[in-house]
Amino acid sequence: AQKITQTQPGMFVQEKEAVTLDCTYDTSDPSYGLFWYKQPSSGEMIFLIYQGSYDQQNATEGRYSLNFQKARKSANLVISASQLGDSAMYFCAMIIRNQGGKLIFGQGTELSVKP
Amino acid sequence: KAGVTQTPRYLIKTRGQQVTLSCSPISGHRSVSWYQQTPGQGLQFLFEYFSETQRNKGNFPGRFSGRQFSNSRSEMNVSTLELGDSALYLCASSLAIADADTQYFGPGTRLTVL
Repeated sequence: AQKITQTQPGMFVQEKEAVTLDCTYDTSDPSYGLFWYKQPSSGEMIFLIYQGSYDQQNATEGRYSLNFQKARKSANLVISASQLGDSAMYFCAMIIRNQGGKLIFGQGTELSVKP
Repeated sequence: KAGVTQTPRYLIKTRGQQVTLSCSPISGHRSVSWYQQTPGQGLQFLFEYFSETQRNKGNFPGRFSGRQFSNSRSEMNVSTLELGDSALYLCASSLAIADADTQYFGPGTRLTVL
């Protein structure tokens, strides 16, 4: 079964510190993509970063990086230098390449950044 | 470039009614996907449309339906509303050039069923 697991329902981090949000995935399909989205209290899902299953290097986008460990089936999000505006829900999601545009989401991690 | 827009943003209906939600994708995007988000079930895939055809469908009853127009705009319809249909409905669009293309989401429509 294809599944995304986020084991941290909530996390706290001090402003300007780095934080890692965990994500593990399960699929037997060799071709897939992994995403992280941010959802503020307003509700809109904001795309942060993408990692393809065949990508050799970890993806980075500004303060966001994805720690992709294929053998462990993990795709952790690292946010460096946390800001107050980073407080939000974070969702890890997976897409299987031969299954069209269906994103499979984890349950999310609520991140709170303390001043 | 304008983002994904969804209308209406908020909606209150009563049980048994039907509702239509609209989604306008980012210009040039050909695929539109719909998701339902509830506190209990999280984010669940409803369906995806590409070139006016439903390409993929989630595990929802037939009361949930959708369509896509030639300009890529999409609508979803829920008939005979139930209390459990109260949710945030999110629409996402993508270029659909590659299978694992990034989906960009709209602000959502928050539906309350009384």
